[in-house]
Amino acid sequence: AQKITQTQPGMFVQEKEAVTLDCTYDTSDPSYGLFWYKQPSSGEMIFLIYQGSYDQQNATEGRYSLNFQKARKSANLVISASQLGDSAMYFCAMREFLNTGGFKTIFGAGTRLFVKA
Amino acid sequence: GAGVSQSPSNKVTEKGKDVELRCDPISGHTALYWYRQSLGQGLEFLIYFQGNSAPDKSGLPSDRFSAERTGGSVSTLTIQRTQQEDSAVYLCASTYGGGTYEQYFGPGTRLTVT
Repeated sequence: AQKITQTQPGMFVQEKEAVTLDCTYDTSDPSYGLFWYKQPSSGEMIFLIYQGSYDQQNATEGRYSLNFQKARKSANLVISASQLGDSAMYFCAMREFLNTGGFKTIFGAGTRLFVKA
Repeated sequence: GAGVSQSPSNKVTEKGKDVELRCDPISGHTALYWYRQSLGQGLEFLIYFQGNSAPDKSGLPSDRFSAERTGGSVSTLTIQRTQQEDSAVYLCASTYGGGTYEQYFGPGTRLTVT
């Protein structure tokens, strides 16, 4: 069964510093997609970044980058130059393709990030 | 354009009653998902629609849960004979296509079963 593991329930980072949020996954499917979402206290889920299993390069989106290590099955999120507004819950997710032609997404338990001024 | 909308935003119901939660996806999005998020937890996949059909219902917790989608648009998640453990935020998401497209989430419906 597919699985997403986020081992850091909570993380603290000083404003303007970089932080890495860990994510490991387990799948036997050669084709999959990895996502990171941000969930502020308001509750909405905000898409941050996507990495496909066949992508050769690590994905980057502004201050977000995904450190994709396929052999180790890890997809860590790196946030550079942290801002106070980055304080939120962060979820790693994996898209699993189904035999029916569709797909579903499974989420990790999340990491709560606290940015200190 | 308009994002994914869900109604109601909050629902308080008594144990044993039935509830219907509605999701209105972004126009043109063919795929629609329902998730459940219990307090302080991650998202639990419930069901996925491609058009009006649901290829994967494996995430539905019990036969008290059902969902339908009509016209390739609005979806309704129905919970019959609600239990206290059904209390959670129910999130809906839609996506334009398969694979690499990001999911756009609605604001969720907070269900409280008393």
